[in-house]
Amino acid sequence: NFMLTQPHSVSESPGKTVTISCTRSSGSFASTYVHWYQQRPGSAPTTIIYEDNQRPSGVPDRFSGSIDSSSNSASLTISGLKPEDEADYYCQSYDSSTLVFGGGTKVSVL
Amino acid sequence: QVQLVQSGAEVKKPGSSVRVSCKVSGGTFSSSAFTWVRQAPGQGLEWMGGIIPIYVTTNYAQKFQGRVTISADESTATAYMDLHSLRSEDTAVYYCARGRNWFDSWGQGTLVTVSS
Repeated sequence: NFMLTQPHSVSESPGKTVTISCTRSSGSFASTYVHWYQQRPGSAPTTIIYEDNQRPSGVPDRFSGSIDSSSNSASLTISGLKPEDEADYYCQSYDSSTLVFGGGTKVSVL
Repeated sequence: QVQLVQSGAEVKKPGSSVRVSCKVSGGTFSSSAFTWVRQAPGQGLEWMGGIIPIYVTTNYAQKFQGRVTISADESTATAYMDLHSLRSEDTAVYYCARGRNWFDSWGQGTLVTVSS
């Protein structure tokens, strides 16, 4: 099995941009997709990015996803940060029949 | 719009079993896949396993093999997760989600507390 490593926390001021990394320990993001979920305090997760860089209907384009094959990492970027973006964010990928979540990153809006 | 509505909170004794249900409305149940994810207090998300009802195929995380059973009832469009031999470390919120490799809808979560 592989692991997905995320920073524990990031913080930034409203209106700024934050980027959350997700590094895969083995295997390749080039052959499997990465997905991102937002979880506000006390709520169930919701999907904000699927298949590397696709946004579900209703997710603002302030959220974007990307892959860097050279470093085997994925990134979630939130631009124009808003107070309601304060939440935990999880990356997730898979390998054959095993799904793995990253440990989560707490985004604080200062 | 697909909705997943889970059963209510449970308090269980160590060594017992728990069943959490996930009723699905607004979508095509049989051809969808459903996955169970849990979250211990203050911790991250943990994949447990999933099912594709139309193929009656299940897939479980190695950690839970032999202790979890995921099933589905097409007649009621409900997915189930049974966890056996409960221990205190199983205290968590359990979520069902629609999808196999990623999830487009989530249930509201069910808190299972294991305590003597």
